[in-house]
Amino acid sequence: AQKITQTQPGMFVQEKEAVTLDCTYDTSDPSYGLFWYKQPSSGEMIFLIYQGSYDQQNATEGRYSLNFQKARKSANLVISASQLGDSAMYFCAMREGYGDKIIFGKGTRLHILP
Amino acid sequence: DAGVTQSPTHLIKTRGQQVTLRCSPISGHKSVSWYQQVLGQGPQFIFQYYEKEERGRGNFPDRFSARQFPNYSSELNVNALLLGDSALYLCASIKTGSYEQYFGPGTRLTVT
Repeated sequence: AQKITQTQPGMFVQEKEAVTLDCTYDTSDPSYGLFWYKQPSSGEMIFLIYQGSYDQQNATEGRYSLNFQKARKSANLVISASQLGDSAMYFCAMREGYGDKIIFGKGTRLHILP
Repeated sequence: DAGVTQSPTHLIKTRGQQVTLRCSPISGHKSVSWYQQVLGQGPQFIFQYYEKEERGRGNFPDRFSARQFPNYSSELNVNALLLGDSALYLCASIKTGSYEQYFGPGTRLTVT
């Protein structure tokens, strides 16, 4: 079974609208962490946000927030007020236990339309 | 502060050759991880090093090896290159005391 599932291969969103990118995960380890990364066409993987499994509050970083629903094993990324520069590939990823190995999903390609 | 640096940016090699990729982590970060990203896929974990010791290894053949130096920079070596080794190789620098990982720009390897 896949550890990280991103069901949206591609999305088209109008500029200035909010965007939700879906991510579900599978783990039996009580300690884990969830990441979101942005990868523009240049190839660099840009860290956006991190949520630990024991964190009480949903993580937020500027226009990015992580909607963490532990019981549903869901960790959706919300981008508020989308911009043209948000067009990129977005990866959800997870680490398990106390290690640093990250398992990535297959990604969602986001297109922001002017 | 400077981010993660990787060299070279691009590389073209022939099947059977050997390649060495280099990574310098963010200042103060003592751990690095290496990932392989084949076109159209998410990155796959290859190795993690902390304080010069291997802390984790992914499902890659023994042709892949790595090491970390006293200044925390790292090298990834791949021997006997195959066409399937063509990929973007990413190095991640792990913030000490945290799980946050910051990636470098990658080295794009093409094997012909």
